[in-house]
Amino acid sequence: GQQLNQSPQSMFIQEGEDVSMNCTSSSIFNTWLWYKQDPGEGPVLLIALYKAGELTSNGRLTAQFGITRKDSFLNISASIPSDVGIYFCAGQDSGTYKYIFGTGTRLKVLA
Amino acid sequence: NAGVTQTPKFQVLKTGQSMTLQCAQDMNHEYMSWYRQDPGMGLRLIHYSVGAGITDQGEVPNGYNVSRSTTEDFPLRLLSAAPSQTSVYFCASSYSWGSYNEQFFGPGTRLTVL
Repeated sequence: GQQLNQSPQSMFIQEGEDVSMNCTSSSIFNTWLWYKQDPGEGPVLLIALYKAGELTSNGRLTAQFGITRKDSFLNISASIPSDVGIYFCAGQDSGTYKYIFGTGTRLKVLA
Repeated sequence: NAGVTQTPKFQVLKTGQSMTLQCAQDMNHEYMSWYRQDPGMGLRLIHYSVGAGITDQGEVPNGYNVSRSTTEDFPLRLLSAAPSQTSVYFCASSYSWGSYNEQFFGPGTRLTVL
């Protein structure tokens, strides 16, 4: 089935560093969502984006909806140990309204 | 609000057994869906519902049935479990179907089929 290309697959960073991850698609999306999943838990919504070019922040997190509507990125500034987890992007297909998920970016923060 | 709740949290089945995974939400959301999550893959849509009495198939519907008799509940039934259905199952809901809707997830059910 259709899935988004999310990169990188995994990242090992030092505490205090900034992190960037992105998702790209061959389809146009009308909504982008970014989730974080902790081990043994369900995904938790971090940021929602609804308009092309939109830049939205949530604390140390910043996400942007690409101008082409086919991509989005998530930045985390000054990472801390509790940022560890798997980050997923999800795009809402503009025709079917179904959400399609990326394969996730596994983030590990070294203290 | 409890949000989206799922039961059980863990389940082990033998091949051929049937069971129902429960999902409920107390946010009066119209749209509910079931996903499965397998290692190295994103979440894949199994079935979804845009309101009570209305369901439709997602990306990987084979081997699963759903029904939506109330707004609050959206159970997922495995009629004859197979090892390929070993996975983590997530239920999600959003206010309505269409644009500008955020999906909220339950904590998941971890299913093992022997």
